[in-house]
Amino acid sequence: AQSVTQLGSHVSVSEGALVLLRCNYSSSVPPYLFWYVQYPNQGLQLLLKYTSAATLVKGINGFEAEFKKSETSFHLTKPSAHMSDAAEYFCAVNSGGYQKVTFGTGTKLQVIP
Amino acid sequence: NAGVTQTPKFQVLKTGQSMTLQCAQDMNHNSMYWYRQDPGMGLRLIYYSASEGTTDKGEVPNGYNVSRLNKREFSLRLESAAPSQTSVYFCASSATGLTGELFFGEGSRLTVL
Repeated sequence: AQSVTQLGSHVSVSEGALVLLRCNYSSSVPPYLFWYVQYPNQGLQLLLKYTSAATLVKGINGFEAEFKKSETSFHLTKPSAHMSDAAEYFCAVNSGGYQKVTFGTGTKLQVIP
Repeated sequence: NAGVTQTPKFQVLKTGQSMTLQCAQDMNHNSMYWYRQDPGMGLRLIYYSASEGTTDKGEVPNGYNVSRLNKREFSLRLESAAPSQTSVYFCASSATGLTGELFFGEGSRLTVL
């Protein structure tokens, strides 16, 4: 069985501040991990993915995430928040084959000017 | 660049009515999925089709049926709509493999009165 826990359903940061969105996973086998972003009234789009190549993964729009096996974590960070980063972010895991992805409950990021 | 196209974008039904959500992708992907998104619950998999000619239940299949019409198209049918099926529905597709990215449509907002 696989699962994902996102800590904090809402996160607020000031423009220019560090963004840190937390994700912990549970998986009985080595997982593949993903971060997706959803802008209002749109579908989800991939920010980045971990596929066991490198533990620090860089994505689009300046985001990155680090896979830490010992902590079963895959937190998403961005050094400096921009107003356009306001969106909902979903962590996801796939370790079950047939591309069955399990999503977390999402974190809404608010960026304060 | 159409990607994944869903129709309709909005629909209001009365309890007991039936309807079909249509989804088509033009990326030659093998796998297609239907998710529902509810506040605070993230995305939950309803049904998926690993390849043309196959369909399987996901996490929340009750009250739904699907048809993989061909490689491009994957429809979701509500035979007798219930208020609990009020949700935003997303179709997604991916190339085969655990590490593949999911490509999402823009969503279909369904309200059941």
